[in-house]
Parts: sequence; C-alpha cells; structure tokens
Amino acid sequence: NAGVTQTPKFQVLKTGQSMTLQCAQDMNHNSMYWYRQDPGMGLRLIYYSASEGTTDKGEVPNGYNVSRLNKREFSLRLESAAPSQTSVYFCASSQSVRNEKLFFGSGTQLSVL
Amino acid sequence: AQKITQTQPGMFVQEKEAVTLDCTYDTSDPSYGLFWYKQPSSGEMIFLIYQGSYDQQNATEGRYSLNFQKARKSANLVISASQLGDSAMYFCAMRDPYRGSYIPTFGRGTSLIVHP
Repeated sequence: NAGVTQTPKFQVLKTGQSMTLQCAQDMNHNSMYWYRQDPGMGLRLIYYSASEGTTDKGEVPNGYNVSRLNKREFSLRLESAAPSQTSVYFCASSQSVRNEKLFFGSGTQLSVL
Repeated sequence: AQKITQTQPGMFVQEKEAVTLDCTYDTSDPSYGLFWYKQPSSGEMIFLIYQGSYDQQNATEGRYSLNFQKARKSANLVISASQLGDSAMYFCAMRDPYRGSYIPTFGRGTSLIVHP
C-alpha cells in the first residue's frame, strides 16, 4: 500500500548546496509531477513527466532539473540551492495526463539557509 | 490571469452545518476536469471529488458534492453536516489542455475551520 514515496521528509541546506529529492510510485502510473507549495500560493507545478522518457517544464522550473529514471521513479534536483527554494515539495502521479486524479507523496519540507 | 480562483482564504462553520467553498476557473477549452483536494494539518493531499466538463450531473462523494455551474465557470465544493475532522485546507484544481497534456493547476486554497 505504499503509493507514492518521497524521500527525504525533511532537509536543511545551505545556500549553494545541491540535493536530489527522490520519488517513486508503485501504481504503474505513466505520469509523474513535482509541485512546490508555499504559503498563500497553493501548489505550483515545477516539472512533469507525461510518460517514461519525457519531461516538461511547468510553471516554476527555474533552478530545478528532473530525471525520469524509469517508469517508477522521478527525481528533482536542486543544483545550487537558494533561500527562495525554501518550500514544501510534493511528488504526485496519475495513470496518464488525461482527466485523472493525482496521487500525492507525503511531501518534503526543505529549508535553504 | 489565474486559471483557478479561490476567493475565500478562510472559512468558519459550526459542526453539523453545511458549508460551501468557492472555486471559479478559466479555460477556453471545452474539455477539462475539475478536482477538489483536502490537506489536513498533517500535510498529506487527499483527493475528494472530480467533475468532468461534459458531465451532466453534479458529482457527489458521500458528504461532498460539487456544485458545477458551467456557464458561470464555477465549481464550488459543498460539505454537508460538517465534522471536526473536516478542518483543513481545501484546494480546487483543474486539468485542461497544455501542449497535448492535461496538466493540473491548483488554486491558492481555502482554510476551513469547523467549530464544535
């Protein structure tokens, strides 16, 4: 019953450090997404992967890179973290990019000092 | 322009009463989907209800119903008989076409507090 698993749950970085957020789903979903949530801003899409082998920019991609490693895994990389990237990050998946609900991971609380 | 607008930052309701959370959307495409998600204080995102643009009937899921008014581009969530456990953030979201895919866009959310 794992669903979407994100790691780590919490992370503190110094400005300029790099890190990778990991996400894996076990529902055989084709599409995966990375969102960030900031107070009063709702969830904003960073990147998405419609299917294995494809990735596309969302609304706020600057400062991030992604890798769709295989059908199960979709990672988000911060190459040089900035305080503006302090946020809660959610990974999500869906069967496809059609009109289907998202399944979310539990989120990663990231602080960049 | 925002695709999804939730104009109520915060709402209060008495336990056992009904409450309506507002959502308006903006799209020019005839095919789209509307969703509501709940985020309790624990932080997880929970799917509540879905309405397709071609659905004739308003969607219902237990105590949740979606008041879909297509001409007004509104998709309000109605929670009947509120419970203390309904206290949470509620997000309206829409999937409409973006470069061949239906990418979910979220509103800024409404915080609901249920009083005993």
